[in-house]
Amino acid sequence: AQKVTQAQTEISVVEKEDVTLDCVYETRDTTYYLFWYKQPPSGELVFLIRRNSFDEQNEISGRYSWNFQKSTSSFNFTITASQVVDSAVYFCALSSPNSGYALNFGKGTSLLVTP
Amino acid sequence: ETGVTQTPRHLVMGMTNKKSLKCEQHLGHNAMYWYKQSAKKPLELMFVYNFKEQTENNSVPSRFSPECPNSSHLFLHLHTLQPEDSALYLCASSQDFKSAGANVLTFGAGSRLTVL
Repeated sequence: AQKVTQAQTEISVVEKEDVTLDCVYETRDTTYYLFWYKQPPSGELVFLIRRNSFDEQNEISGRYSWNFQKSTSSFNFTITASQVVDSAVYFCALSSPNSGYALNFGKGTSLLVTP
Repeated sequence: ETGVTQTPRHLVMGMTNKKSLKCEQHLGHNAMYWYKQSAKKPLELMFVYNFKEQTENNSVPSRFSPECPNSSHLFLHLHTLQPEDSALYLCASSQDFKSAGANVLTFGAGSRLTVL
């Protein structure tokens, strides 16, 4: 069985603070994919990143960075110098060939960035 | 605009009504999905269509009936719904299903359904 846990239900930060969203996953598969999606108030989920299980390199994209650690089954997401436009619900997700590539989502973390 | 359009954006219906949700994509994708998003719950995959064929039905009650007339359009027909069916229904598409290309989903903005 696969499971994604996002323990932080809601986070509130002041603009320009750094914030890390946690994601812990469970899977018995050796090949799998991890994702982050952003859901702004408008509703649509926006794809942010996909990593496969064989690539543990951390990734940075502008103010966003992701820390993938297989040893702790975590795929954490950090926003540096947060902005009000970062306010959204962020979802971590997991898929694998054995699960038919269906995405298993966590419950999401609601991030509020205030001025 | 993500390339996946859902209508209506908001729908209020009684338990005895029949209504439909519509999803349209012009991204050239071959797989389309319906997800249900309820408060405090993870997104639930409802149905998957790959090349117009239904490939997944995750134990969804029969009061939800999907239809995929072509690779660009997906419908969710609703009848005799219950108040607990009130949720945000999200449509998504991907290049295909059951391959790595399935992973990257493009979502619509959702249809907010309220069942009275």
